[in-house]
Amino acid sequence: DQQVKQNSPSLSVQEGRISILNCDYTNSMFDYFLWYKKYPAEGPTFLISISSIKDKNEDGRFTVFLNKSAKHLSLHIVPSQPGDSAVYFCAASEASSNTGKLIFGQGTTLQVKP
Amino acid sequence: KAGVTQTPRYLIKTRGQQVTLSCSPISGHRSVSWYQQTPGQGLQFLFEYFSETQRNKGNFPGRFSGRQFSNSRSEMNVSTLELGDSALYLCASSFQGAHEQYFGPGTRLTVT
Repeated sequence: DQQVKQNSPSLSVQEGRISILNCDYTNSMFDYFLWYKKYPAEGPTFLISISSIKDKNEDGRFTVFLNKSAKHLSLHIVPSQPGDSAVYFCAASEASSNTGKLIFGQGTTLQVKP
Repeated sequence: KAGVTQTPRYLIKTRGQQVTLSCSPISGHRSVSWYQQTPGQGLQFLFEYFSETQRNKGNFPGRFSGRQFSNSRSEMNVSTLELGDSALYLCASSFQGAHEQYFGPGTRLTVT
């Protein structure tokens, strides 16, 4: 039972354009969401997060949107750069339970073409 | 501030053996979580330790165990290794566990 799903295994965009990565979840108890970027042979790197009390959070080129009613979140990268090419994972947690258990999606491989 | 470190980075073991992996969290972080990454299953939560106590456990057999020391360093142990245990094992640390976790580079375990 996959509680966090990233339905697009891969995405290709042109440098300078917007990249939109999507994530859906099924567990209504999730109240904290995170995005990680991962390069081969490295651990995931934290990018941005959002609490369920918000619907948007921005950090530089990265913006995360949360639609609780649809149980959907998305990561927007504007403008996309070749160095953004990596695997992106969304993750969710029940932060109110105060335990360090993150549930990850399967990941989306982003390729940004120069 | 130094990041999360994991040792060893690579390990080759034979079926039936046991293995111990080590994780040193970011200074001041008290929560350490362990994850297994495989191509088929993605990143799966193994367990979390906070102040030397296991606070949460994922859906893995009892062959997978861990512990945390008073300095927050953590170890995980896998006994009676199986071929399917070949994976990248990642640990992540956070101040309290519930929010942002910071990952180490992982230990690549190969079981032959």
